[in-house]
Amino acid sequence: DAKTTQPNSMESNEEEPVHLPCNHSTISGTDYIHWYRQLPSQGPEYVIHGLTSNVNNRMASLAIAEDRKSSTLILHRATLRDAAVYYCIPYGGATNKLIFGTGTLLAVQP
Amino acid sequence: EAGVAQSPRYKIIEKRQSVAFWCNPISGHATLYWYQQILGQGPKLLIQFQNNGVVDDSQLPKDRFSAERLKGVDSTLKIQPAKLEDSAVYLCASSLDMGTGLSTDTQYFGPGTRLTVL
Repeated sequence: DAKTTQPNSMESNEEEPVHLPCNHSTISGTDYIHWYRQLPSQGPEYVIHGLTSNVNNRMASLAIAEDRKSSTLILHRATLRDAAVYYCIPYGGATNKLIFGTGTLLAVQP
Repeated sequence: EAGVAQSPRYKIIEKRQSVAFWCNPISGHATLYWYQQILGQGPKLLIQFQNNGVVDDSQLPKDRFSAERLKGVDSTLKIQPAKLEDSAVYLCASSLDMGTGLSTDTQYFGPGTRLTVL
């Protein structure tokens, strides 16, 4: 299974962009990069996923390095509701189950 | 659309007692998952069902944990007897996955059941 490395914690100010990095240098060529987040006292929720190209949705953008060894989740304007643990997870090809690490705890200051 | 429902939300028991958790997945979702999340860690998959068949239970401590998904809809997870180290949040999730192995399959999680074993 591919190993991922994420910062333990990050801080941001409200309404500013946030870039959450993830290293996944051993990712399989067929695995997608999925991001989930977990708000306090809730179950994880899906954020975004991608394979090679950058992806955008209403929640965030995902920038994937050309060699696929790293990716960055971008929250364009952080809100207090974005305070959560963010998990980067290779999944869907060679890896057929979600394997959660410890993720990045994002704190958003007003 | 209703989300994944779980009950109870909280449970406190003494060690060696038994406990059961219930999950109702999103309507039409073929695949159901149970995860265990210990404080400070990410969720860990315990068991995965597709319809009412087990796909993966490699991480399930089968000497004390059991799970079933009758009729391919609701599921129950049971612990008997409970140990102190079973204190955790138990999360249920579901996904459409019809066994096609789609790598984009999104999992939808319930709010979890927080178990405290004294």
